[in-house]
Amino acid sequence: SQQGEEDPQALSIQEGENATMNCSYKTSINNLQWYRQNSGRGLVHLILIRSNEREKHSGRLRVTLDTSKKSSSLLITASRAADTASYFCATDLRSGGSYIPTFGRGTSLIVHP
Amino acid sequence: DAGVIQSPRHEVTEMGQEVTLRCKPISGHNSLFWYRQTMMRGLELLIYFNNNVPIDDSGMPEDRFSAKMPNASFSTLKIQPSEPRDSAVYFCASSLALSVAGGLSSNEQFFGPGTRLTVL
Repeated sequence: SQQGEEDPQALSIQEGENATMNCSYKTSINNLQWYRQNSGRGLVHLILIRSNEREKHSGRLRVTLDTSKKSSSLLITASRAADTASYFCATDLRSGGSYIPTFGRGTSLIVHP
Repeated sequence: DAGVIQSPRHEVTEMGQEVTLRCKPISGHNSLFWYRQTMMRGLELLIYFNNNVPIDDSGMPEDRFSAKMPNASFSTLKIQPSEPRDSAVYFCASSLALSVAGGLSSNEQFFGPGTRLTVL
């Protein structure tokens, strides 16, 4: 079963607008990560936020984590056409002596120039 | 560093044939992951190695799939015999797992370019 689920499944915006994607998960986590995937390519890591952190920034990206609600959000400010991609959250799922990263189905973002 | 290297990039084969996918992780990383991505099922973790030892293979679909990591710089994923439903993009990723209370925590993963497998 999916640990993390992104919402919305698809998002279409104009260049310059902000894009917000959400991720909800089911069980307690150690950390949560966001990745981007351009069409036909491998995933690229964006940000890792630990369970004891509430917010993290990287350039135009802002990630929040609310462990009480078991949710995270990824905000891309002043979006560009080059931000068009699929965005995935990955959460740790405890499995034996390790935490296994599990990915959601992703949010497909289209930024129109 | 060249990043995670996968070969071949594309593979077209006929049903029943053996398929071997190869991966070279980033030097110094201690964890290696094999994923399968399809439109229907999204990104699925097949198997996870730490220090060359399989930690979790619960995602391996069935006995037709096997994975090995004979050393820290090489891993293979083999499908024998292949079936049309195995058609997908297979990704290899590596990372430096962190030791935390309770075990190993996942960390930033570096993905290879993927192998697009088509089984006719």
